[in-house]
Amino acid sequence: AQKITQTQPGMFVQEKEAVTLDCTYDTSDPSYGLFWYKQPSSGEMIFLIYQGSYDQQNATEGRYSLNFQKARKSANLVISASQLGDSAMYFCAMREVSARGSARQLTFGSGTQLTVLP
Amino acid sequence: SAVISQKPSRDICQRGTSLTIQCQVDSQVTMMFWYRQQPGQSLTLIATANQGSEATYESGFVIDKFPISRPNLTFSTLTVSNMSPEDSSIYLCSVVNKKGPEAFFGQGTRLTVV
Repeated sequence: AQKITQTQPGMFVQEKEAVTLDCTYDTSDPSYGLFWYKQPSSGEMIFLIYQGSYDQQNATEGRYSLNFQKARKSANLVISASQLGDSAMYFCAMREVSARGSARQLTFGSGTQLTVLP
Repeated sequence: SAVISQKPSRDICQRGTSLTIQCQVDSQVTMMFWYRQQPGQSLTLIATANQGSEATYESGFVIDKFPISRPNLTFSTLTVSNMSPEDSSIYLCSVVNKKGPEAFFGQGTRLTVV
């Protein structure tokens, strides 16, 4: 079974509007982290936002916020006031923590291509 | 954050040859990883680069095809050996340090095998 699921291959949003990118995850570990990355056409991976499994509040970073619903195992990214420069591929990722407490590698979803329309 | 220099940024190689990709970090990091991103796909972990010992490979990746070195805490190399067109991908170095949970990525190496 896939650990990270992004069901929206492509999304369109009008400039200055808000958009939500969906992400669901699957894990039996009580301790894990959820991440969102942006990948422009240049190929670099840009870290956007992080949510820990024990965090009580939803993470926010500027125009980015993470809608974390633990019971539903969802971690949707909300981008407010979209800009043309937000057009890119967006990846949701998860890191589980091993029994020894060491961080493991990231597991990525399939990504969502966001296009911001002028 | 960590500043990562990954070289080369892109290359076009002949099949049957090998390419070594370098990853240099500006500070000591706890963990270094190598990912592959095939065209139009997500990122797949190749291996965890361990300092001073053999890398830990994921299922489907073997040392003979993707030898990895990590001589110290700030440097690692990935070699793509005996290349075929199926190896055409973006290869990304990633690091994690003690300062935060996020992973940082190099600029990526866009490899085309002809």
